[in-house]
Amino acid sequence: SYVLTQPPSVSVAPGQTARITCGGNNIGSKSVHWYLQKPGQAPVLVVSDDSDRPSGIPERFSGSNSGNTATLTISRVEAGDEADFYCQVWDSSSDVGVFGTGTKVTVL
Amino acid sequence: QVQLVQSGAEVKKPGASVRVSCKASGYKFNTYDINWVRQATGQGLEWMGWMNVNTYSTGYAQKFQGRVTMTRDTSISTAYMELSSLSSEDTAVYYCARGTGDLPFEYWGQGTLVTVSS
Repeated sequence: SYVLTQPPSVSVAPGQTARITCGGNNIGSKSVHWYLQKPGQAPVLVVSDDSDRPSGIPERFSGSNSGNTATLTISRVEAGDEADFYCQVWDSSSDVGVFGTGTKVTVL
Repeated sequence: QVQLVQSGAEVKKPGASVRVSCKASGYKFNTYDINWVRQATGQGLEWMGWMNVNTYSTGYAQKFQGRVTMTRDTSISTAYMELSSLSSEDTAVYYCARGTGDLPFEYWGQGTLVTVSS
């Protein structure tokens, strides 16, 4: 089965840039979606199809995807960005959804 | 606006089954798949399966094959997920999410806590 690997945690100071990676075999050939989840809440889509931002998501959130790594970048980090982040792809060879292991972003 | 509203929390005994509902509104129900995702306390998101609301086709994660059944009632725009042979390891929040194939899960239900305890 397809596996997506994320770092368990990322720490960043306010105003700095956080980068969260999502590793998977030839992930660059897939569409990667990113979700933010705060405690007690449902996940929220923040980046779709590698780099598109849904309506209402700040421009500070951006994504890229190439080779074996997709990256979510959060610029000018704010205290309110503290959350868990998950990458997700559709494995069309098996017709199943796959989530990454999740990354907790801590704002120092 | 698109909304997915799930049924309330459930407490079940080991070996029992649970059915969670997901009522959709704000869009044409049969134009998107419904996926189910669960999350144990302190753990990550786990994809369980999908259902094509229009064709009734389903696909389940191997882990849940034989134990999960996804259905729908188009007359009331509601999807259901039934999980059988529950154990304590099935204690989790269960979410429905709208998404088709490699499209993102753009809309999510609020989650339903299922607690399995003797």
